[in-house]
Amino acid sequence: AQTVTQSQPEMSVQEAETVTLSCTYDTSESNYYLFWYKQPPSRQMILVIRQEAYKQQNATENRFSVNFQKAAKSFSLKISDSQLGDTAMYFCAFIDTGGFKTIFGAGTRLFVKA
Amino acid sequence: DVKVTQSSRYLVKRTGEKVFLECVQDMDHENMFWYRQDPGLGLRLIYFSYDVKMKEKGDIPEGYSVSREKKERFSLILESASTNQTSMYLCATYLSGPGDQPQHFGDGTRLSIL
Repeated sequence: AQTVTQSQPEMSVQEAETVTLSCTYDTSESNYYLFWYKQPPSRQMILVIRQEAYKQQNATENRFSVNFQKAAKSFSLKISDSQLGDTAMYFCAFIDTGGFKTIFGAGTRLFVKA
Repeated sequence: DVKVTQSSRYLVKRTGEKVFLECVQDMDHENMFWYRQDPGLGLRLIYFSYDVKMKEKGDIPEGYSVSREKKERFSLILESASTNQTSMYLCATYLSGPGDQPQHFGDGTRLSIL
């Protein structure tokens, strides 16, 4: 069975600093997609960043970047220059190219402190 | 922008009641999903639909049913509500290929069963 594990239930970071959220996954598939979603308090879940497994280059979106290690099945999210608006629940997610179902991790609650 | 609208942000119902949660999307997406979000468990898939009148069970379908009579509307039904169905319910959609686009989420319905 495919699984996604986020081992950090909660994290905190000072404003303007860098934080890394961990995610590992398990699959026997070779082609798949990985995502980080952000859910701010009482607000809609939105996509932060997306990685295609066949691409070796790590995805980057402004202050957000990933460290994708396919062999290790690891997909961590780095947030640089943290802002108060980054306070949210972050979910790591996986879907294989042949499937309909997205598998989500349990989430990491991130607090950015002023 | 894709808009996914869930009929209620907060809902309180009584044990044994039949409960309807509605989700409407405005972008002609084929795939629609109902998730349940609980602390420490992430998002768990209840049901999904890849076309009108088509539905597939997710990981936790027991106690739930769904209806998709029109492409834009996907309803989740709690046949006889129980207290263990108190949770946050999220509706999501995406267009077609699983990794082509991210899932778009509604604001969620926080359901309390008393």
